[in-house]
Amino acid sequence: GENVEQHPSTLSVQEGDSAVIKCTYSDSASNYFPWYKQELGKRPQLIIDIRSNVGEKKDQRIAVTLNKTAKHFSLHITETQPEDSAVYFCAAPSGGGADGLTFGKGTHLIIQP
Amino acid sequence: NAGVTQTPKFQVLKTGQSMTLQCAQDMNHEYMSWYRQDPGMGLRLIHYSVGAGITDQGEVPNGYNVSRSTTEDFPLRLLSAAPSQTSVYFCASSYGWGEGETQYFGPGTRLLVL
Repeated sequence: GENVEQHPSTLSVQEGDSAVIKCTYSDSASNYFPWYKQELGKRPQLIIDIRSNVGEKKDQRIAVTLNKTAKHFSLHITETQPEDSAVYFCAAPSGGGADGLTFGKGTHLIIQP
Repeated sequence: NAGVTQTPKFQVLKTGQSMTLQCAQDMNHEYMSWYRQDPGMGLRLIHYSVGAGITDQGEVPNGYNVSRSTTEDFPLRLLSAAPSQTSVYFCASSYGWGEGETQYFGPGTRLLVL
């Protein structure tokens, strides 16, 4: 099955700076990579995703890049704001069929004022 | 449209007790799943269902049972609770189960087993 590694586990940045979270995956057949944001005590919510037919996708201040050759993808948040403080999870399909998603262990993003 | 709902929000059990975590969705989604979330472990798939009457095991199924009698409901049963099952449980659903299907999560059930 799929194995997803996520780094760093904790990331502290100054408000207004950029943040980058990286994930690697093991199954070269995977072609869908979502990112979820989870605020304290809340449910995970999809913030952006990317499919393997593109190398980058942007949505306002967030972007995701994908390198299928190296089997890694990254989340980029620019001009960070206090409301960006949360835990971010990357994920990839667990395998063939309906096996759901395999998640990374999460990155706690802290925005320092 | 309530989306994905879960009850209860919080539950305390004693070792050996049984209980059912409820999950329902009103989006006519075929695919439903249960994840558990533990500190530093991310979310791990317990069981999933691709439609009424069809269920299968995920990564960590031991100690849990599921059934899917209707499209809307997907309850998770703990037959004999153990402290290792202390966790936050999330139900999720999506229209289909192919790659690229956005999964919508419920608000979660926080379970403490003493």
